[in-house]
Amino acid sequence: NAGVTQTPKFRILKIGQSMTLQCTQDMNHNYMYWYRQDPGMGLKLIYYSVGAGITDKGEVPNGYNVSRSTTEDFPLRLELAAPSQTSVYFCASFLPRGSSGEQYFGPGTRLTVT
Amino acid sequence: GNSVTQMEGPVTLSEEAFLTINCTYTATGYPSLFWYVQYPGEGLQLLLKATKADDKGSNKGFEATYRKETTSFHLEKGSVQVSDSAVYFCALSHLIQGAQKLVFGQGTRLTINP
Repeated sequence: NAGVTQTPKFRILKIGQSMTLQCTQDMNHNYMYWYRQDPGMGLKLIYYSVGAGITDKGEVPNGYNVSRSTTEDFPLRLELAAPSQTSVYFCASFLPRGSSGEQYFGPGTRLTVT
Repeated sequence: GNSVTQMEGPVTLSEEAFLTINCTYTATGYPSLFWYVQYPGEGLQLLLKATKADDKGSNKGFEATYRKETTSFHLEKGSVQVSDSAVYFCALSHLIQGAQKLVFGQGTRLTINP
């Protein structure tokens, strides 16, 4: 049981490039989330999904897109990278049934846009 | 809206000192409350939680009590160790637009010196 896995761990992008951050969970959780963490700040919600085929915006969705074609995978797409997207990105998952609301986090992807 | 405010960091203590990290929240309804810990280079891990007023969460010597009257969930440990050096996040979980979400404080960086 690997939990929540994210790839890559690190990435440097040039302005205007695109990339996809991968997230996979093997706990059969129906909720999945993407957060960004800027230095000295808490986590801000980018997008979330309550199940396959359903996604919705969080607090800071601009510049990002997501898809959820399976329960396990929730990739985050950056189309035109900007320096403001330099951050650490965390994916998380959650199972509402019998839960008090805690989410399980992946190890993060550190992205630098220059 | 819902929000979490944490004690400003960074906090530096000597080994075996007493630790308190303050956390207060604003929420409608009755959220669950959490402390997450982030060790260097890692994702967030759940440290402890409380789901209703007067509940006490505890783990690894850390404790926090859900105080509805003061809307607080302060984290305490009687004797800290060097290995407790990390960033600590207070968070609340609630239902927004039909989906369970976490709202995080800004995090408090704790450094324990031997």
